[in-house]
Parts: sequence; C-alpha cells; structure tokens
Amino acid sequence: RKEVEQDPGPFNVPEGATVAFNCTYSNSASQSFFWYRQDCRKEPKLLMSVYSSGNEDGRFTAQLNRASQYISLLIRDSKLSDSATYLCVVTLPQRGYQKVTFGTGTKLQVIP
Amino acid sequence: GAGVSQSPSNKVTEKGKDVELRCDPISGHTALYWYRQSLGQGLEFLIYFQGNSAPDKSGLPSDRFSAERTGGSVSTLTIQRTQQEDSAVYLCASSLESGLAGEGYSPLHFGNGTRLTVT
Repeated sequence: RKEVEQDPGPFNVPEGATVAFNCTYSNSASQSFFWYRQDCRKEPKLLMSVYSSGNEDGRFTAQLNRASQYISLLIRDSKLSDSATYLCVVTLPQRGYQKVTFGTGTKLQVIP
Repeated sequence: GAGVSQSPSNKVTEKGKDVELRCDPISGHTALYWYRQSLGQGLEFLIYFQGNSAPDKSGLPSDRFSAERTGGSVSTLTIQRTQQEDSAVYLCASSLESGLAGEGYSPLHFGNGTRLTVT
C-alpha cells in the first residue's frame, strides 16, 4: 500500500461548482498534513496546512480525519484559475526528523 | 524575502557526462530536500538534509547520484555518467525546521527547479 494515495482524476467541473478531493495515508503515526497546488511545468506551492479541527481559507476548506486516516480538500465556487494538480502531503516522524511524503496528485480542470 | 534559488534553470547534457545542480535555500531554513519529477509523474524523494545530522539518502536511485550541503546552507546534487532516464525536473525545497511533534511542522518551500535533459 502506498504511503499516500490520491485519485489522479482528472476532475472536470464547470465554473462555480463545488469539488472535493480526498487523500488517504497508510501510517497512523503521521503528524502533519498539507495541500499543495502545482500548475503545469511549475514547482509545487503551499495551498494550506490541514488541522484536526478543520480549517478554511476563502473558498478552500481542509479537513483531517485521523480515525479514518484521510484528509480532504473542498473547493467552492470553482474558478478557471483553480485548474491545477493538487498534491496531498503527509509528514511522519522518522529517526529524529519528519519524513515528508507527497501524493501523486489529483488533476482539476475547471471548464467555462 | 528571497525564496529557494536553483541553478541552472535548464541543463542539456550528453549521455555519460557529469552534472551538478545547485540549490540555495531560504536563509535560516535548516531542512533541505531534493526531489525529482518526471513528465506527468509525481514527486520522487531523493535526499534530505537537516542541520548537522547525517542526511537521509534513502531516495537516491543509484550510486551515480550524490549530494552535499556545505555549511548548512547551499546544496549541490551531482549526477555522474548521466543516463537518458535521468531526464527530469529536479526540485529543491527547504523548511524552517524539522523533527517537531504535532501539527506545527513547517511546510516546504520549493525552488523553480532545474530541468535536466540528457541526450
């Protein structure tokens, strides 16, 4: 089983739609969680951290379910500019440091 | 402030040649990572440096790959006797700290990457 798994998509949604991505992780000792966004042929950029209490940043809401070992990202009122690949990131304590593992990403295409 | 800086941004080399890729992390960031990403694929972990600790080299794909970090700052990734399958974007990232428990882990900040093409 992969350490971090994501549905690769693509998710094709119309402008204004709400879309949600899930990401599962295999190790229950994982500690920190993030969502990154990667545009085509660009480097990944931090979108938001994910906290147990859930957190929101404008149209974006992230949630963490430790019992079921998944995190989610909800995007409301999708914009064309939201088209990108969304990467789930999980850290795991290992030999005195946090090992950082990226999922392979979920591709989102917002259609006019 | 300045972000993570990588050079060169593009490198074309002939099969069998050695290449050096450079990464200048954000000032004060003690953790530094190297990843590579082939076209249409996810990020592949290569190596991790944290302060003066021994690096985690578990992701290096072969002994042709090596990396060092001098003075806890600039890092160089060296690929010897390059092969065509080494063609990829090599990404460097840094973070403020590592080894923290709980949800306070500092996220990674990436450079623009070096696009390596081996002909």
